[in-house]
Amino acid sequence: NAGVTQTPKFQVLKTGQSMTLQCAQDMNHEYMSWYRQDPGMGLRLIHYSVGAGITDQGEVPNGYNVSRSTTEDFPLRLLSAAPSQTSVYFCASRPGVRTGELFFGEGSRLTVL
Amino acid sequence: GEDVEQSLFLSVREGDSSVINCTYTDSSSTYLYWYKQEPGAGLQLLTYIFSNMDMKQDQRLTVLLNKKDKHLSLRIADTQTGDSAIYFCAETFSMDSSYKLIFGSGTRLLVRP
Repeated sequence: NAGVTQTPKFQVLKTGQSMTLQCAQDMNHEYMSWYRQDPGMGLRLIHYSVGAGITDQGEVPNGYNVSRSTTEDFPLRLLSAAPSQTSVYFCASRPGVRTGELFFGEGSRLTVL
Repeated sequence: GEDVEQSLFLSVREGDSSVINCTYTDSSSTYLYWYKQEPGAGLQLLTYIFSNMDMKQDQRLTVLLNKKDKHLSLRIADTQTGDSAIYFCAETFSMDSSYKLIFGSGTRLLVRP
């Protein structure tokens, strides 16, 4: 029973490099989302998706791209990493678009030098 | 815009009750949630309350909702050292047909033996 799986768990990048954080869920959830967690600021929504082929911006979308080609996968792309993107990233999914418990992955800690 | 606020830190003795408070701004919130985050892990749903309820009790947890003051609280009875964690309040914020989960900054609970 894998739930929400994120990879990698840790990553160090140099400024300007690109990378993709992977997220997969095996619960057939419609809704998937990415949050970043910074000290004293809680979790802030980056992007979310209400189904395959549908994505939308959250509170802090700049510098990040997403796509949802399948129900299971929701990768987060950093095209040109900046030190301000140093954070812990969480992927989360829930069964329905509107309500329901949000299931979180274990997080990906990203450091941009 | 929508906002959820919490105090950052709470310290209690083992066996005492803990009360974690949260205020929110979106009066149209349908569900309000409490999540728990243990070190190095993702968030796990503790409990939730529907906006037409005043109180919900679940074993050692009691959630109180004051809609007039937009105030939510989580009371943990007989607090144990295993309750030490960060607790996040969250509300559902509706925009168009999508429902986003907005988190507070988290309250770090420290339980002293």
